[in-house]
Amino acid sequence: DIVMTQTPLSLSVTPGQPASISCKSSQSLLQSEGKTYLYWYLQKPGQPPQLLIYEAFNRFSGVPDRFSGSGSGTDFTLKISRVEAEDVGIYYCMQTIQVPWTFGQGTKVEIK
Amino acid sequence: EVQLLQSEGGLVQPGESLKLSCAASGFTFSTYAMTWVRQAPGKGLEWVSTISGSGGSTNYADSVKGRFAVSRDNSKNTLYLQMNSLRAEDTAVYYCARISPWWGQGTLVTVSS
Repeated sequence: DIVMTQTPLSLSVTPGQPASISCKSSQSLLQSEGKTYLYWYLQKPGQPPQLLIYEAFNRFSGVPDRFSGSGSGTDFTLKISRVEAEDVGIYYCMQTIQVPWTFGQGTKVEIK
Repeated sequence: EVQLLQSEGGLVQPGESLKLSCAASGFTFSTYAMTWVRQAPGKGLEWVSTISGSGGSTNYADSVKGRFAVSRDNSKNTLYLQMNSLRAEDTAVYYCARISPWWGQGTLVTVSS
């Protein structure tokens, strides 16, 4: 199974400041056709996860441009350029290149 | 607008069965693989099962293999998860999803005596 390791597991950020979450996979998530099967989600309390980034760096429709994804192979990063109060929740990375699909442990983001 | 409307869950005893459903609308259901993901109380997300658009291919997490069965009825635009021999550790909110962006609202399944 591909292991997804997120760091840090928690983050307390002052509004307006940047934040960064790392996700490392135990195997490459790059498929031969050039796609990278890495997704970033934000889950707010009592809600299903909402997609932020797909295929490592593509921002999903309606997601604010303060969110960006980068990385390749096995090392990925989600960056929030200026954290806002509505960004609180748990962030997960997920791989779908190989069954079983696996998630990172989650990173809890709080506002200072 | 894509919608995934999940059935109610419930409280069942260990060893019992339960069938979840997920009614899809807003897209051509038969052309998309569908997935079940669960989340135990206070825990992270766990992939459970995926079924191809035609229903001809299925995959399961080891934790549910042999006990759960995913199916779909493309004439009814509905996804199912038949859960048998339920255990306390199956207690979770179950989400149906059209990965990556579309998720149902979640259904709580509690397995307890």
